[in-house]
Amino acid sequence: QSVLTQPSSASGTPGQRVTISCSGGSSNLGSNSVNWYRQLPGTAPKLLIYSNDQRPSGVPDRFSASKSGSSASLAISGLQSEDEADYYCAAWDESLKGEVFGGGTKLTVL
Amino acid sequence: QVQLVQSGAEVKKPGASVKVSCKASGYTVSNYGVTWVRQAPGQGLEWMGWISTYKGNTKYAQKVQDRVTMTTDTSTSTFYMELRSLRSDDTAVYYCAYCGGDCQYNWFDPWGQGTLVTVSS
Repeated sequence: QSVLTQPSSASGTPGQRVTISCSGGSSNLGSNSVNWYRQLPGTAPKLLIYSNDQRPSGVPDRFSASKSGSSASLAISGLQSEDEADYYCAAWDESLKGEVFGGGTKLTVL
Repeated sequence: QVQLVQSGAEVKKPGASVKVSCKASGYTVSNYGVTWVRQAPGQGLEWMGWISTYKGNTKYAQKVQDRVTMTTDTSTSTFYMELRSLRSDDTAVYYCAYCGGDCQYNWFDPWGQGTLVTVSS
């Protein structure tokens, strides 16, 4: 059972907009920034969004994110087949004194 | 740019220890640390801890804090993660990732390619 809660799966067709939620509590998302990672099959995770809503250079603006209170969400617009991957949210947890990850959301492009 | 290259796959017996290395390039390792994250087969990401050379300290996850040690060799720009008393549920891919000066509250980017550690009798 992960500290941050994500849906286990999500799906969409090419060109659609998909959102992935991440729910936490006062000790993690309620206190600290959230970061999002994308993991393509068989590869290492890669930073997708940092500090709630910032895109690293090279990440297309199709990817956006937001945070409100103890919840966060990642949105992917103009869905492409290469977006098929696992997506993870993460944040520091003040109570556990450690980094916590969501369980991951497997995105399928139909 | 920052790059992290990890050591190769390991097979260990239960009760043994493993030491995974993570060689950094593109930055001064005495100023910036790394975090370690593992991923069991078919499972999600699990944070193990970080070593902050900037602050000169380490922080370990409660689950493994009695069995893990993270160190740095600044002469070779290499970080190490040693896990002792291995169990079958330690079988996972272990990743190192750059976390800047203050690993707490920071993001992880980039990541090493991962090291598969298999624990089996």
